[in-house]
Amino acid sequence: DTEVTQTPKHLVMGMTNKKSLKCEQHMGHRAMYWYKQKAKKPPELMFVYSYEKLSINESVPSRFSPECPNSSLLNLHLHALQPEDSALYLCASSDPGYNQPQHFGDGTRLSIL
Amino acid sequence: GESVGLHLPTLSVQEGDNSIINCAYSNSASDYFIWYKQESGKGPQFIIDIRSNMDKRQGQRVTVLLNKTVKHLSLQIAATQPGDSAVYFCAETFTGGGNKLTFGTGTQLKVEL
Repeated sequence: DTEVTQTPKHLVMGMTNKKSLKCEQHMGHRAMYWYKQKAKKPPELMFVYSYEKLSINESVPSRFSPECPNSSLLNLHLHALQPEDSALYLCASSDPGYNQPQHFGDGTRLSIL
Repeated sequence: GESVGLHLPTLSVQEGDNSIINCAYSNSASDYFIWYKQESGKGPQFIIDIRSNMDKRQGQRVTVLLNKTVKHLSLQIAATQPGDSAVYFCAETFTGGGNKLTFGTGTQLKVEL
């Protein structure tokens, strides 16, 4: 079982909806990440939080809004998404120092109608 | 069996044989490398990592080899089992890179009984 828990596992939403993806870890990690993965492709980094502060935004469209309420939680708020945003959204966590392995959750499968 | 990454994205091996999955990286500044296993419907699972001050690292049934001269990484799986069937990704990062992981394109490993 993964130590990074993501909810929901599946989400279907219309282009005008607002929804949120949630991620929780209890490994004491102080760095958390959001990735997007399309079918048969590698994960692509979206955001990095370090000590609850946004440290990297990979030029992600503003319809994706991350939030890190505390050291264990990471949210991704979604609004006015496009069909091409349909993908698997993965959360990961790690110790914040250099060269630390990232541990992934099983993702949220998002479908935009 | 042996894959060459981009040109052979699928590697088929017989159960009990050894598998070799290859990965070429492009950033000469990369100094930390990770292999992940991703099974269908799940997130990437950490297998083994290696730092650039090492050429070889062994785990349980897995060995990672790093050749910095030609920027090449390989994952060897001994006595491949049906449960090893998955997509394998290499990932790289570098000190000062903000823990930003860059993933390779992935190799599908299929274990035939």
